[in-house]
Amino acid sequence: DTAVSQTPKYLVTQMGNDKSIKCEQNLGHDTMYWYKQDSKKFLKIMFSYNNKELIINETVPNRFSPKSPDKAHLNLHINSLELGDSAVYFCASSQDPGKSEQFFGPGTRLTVL
Amino acid sequence: DQQVKQNSPSLSVQEGRISILNCDYTNSMFDYFLWYKKYPAEGPTFLISISSIKDKNEDGRFTVFLNKSAKHLSLHIVPSQPGDSAVYFCAASGKGGNTGKLIFGQGTTLQVKP
Repeated sequence: DTAVSQTPKYLVTQMGNDKSIKCEQNLGHDTMYWYKQDSKKFLKIMFSYNNKELIINETVPNRFSPKSPDKAHLNLHINSLELGDSAVYFCASSQDPGKSEQFFGPGTRLTVL
Repeated sequence: DQQVKQNSPSLSVQEGRISILNCDYTNSMFDYFLWYKKYPAEGPTFLISISSIKDKNEDGRFTVFLNKSAKHLSLHIVPSQPGDSAVYFCAASGKGGNTGKLIFGQGTTLQVKP
């Protein structure tokens, strides 16, 4: 049973397009996150939702819009894709926003041409 | 400004020997530290954590040591096994603006040779 799943695993698209990445967790966790791993392999947090409420919003362009329809899902929509958006995007979840371990999904490799 | 640093990009050890991975941090507000292991094309997997009230935490072959005064932590793997070959990330979180946020180091690639 996959604890944190993401779709799609790979996404190749043209500049200027709009795309979405979906994430689901079946761990019963309250908190979900989006991270970006860039070409230099740095993993950086983008957003966090707790009980469907946005609690962390790093300095991310507003072309990126997360949406949490319920506690088990956190989707990431990206408008007007740019070359620099190419990266691996990881979804994660944790029991709460405090000091608990975060469980990561397998990642979505986004390539913008 | 990198708050969590792993200065060794790679480490190679012989099977059965000890692997020591190091991590330094700059933000004194960090009070919880974690190690994650990552295989290619997979997400990071939680390995072990330590709270700042402790200086050591053990789980099987994995031990994490924390030196708060030096703002340094290390992960010891004994004995190392070929299946341990992966990228290891250290991460930190803490109070204030870092609550709930994991700040990651850039990773160290460990290769365990049979």
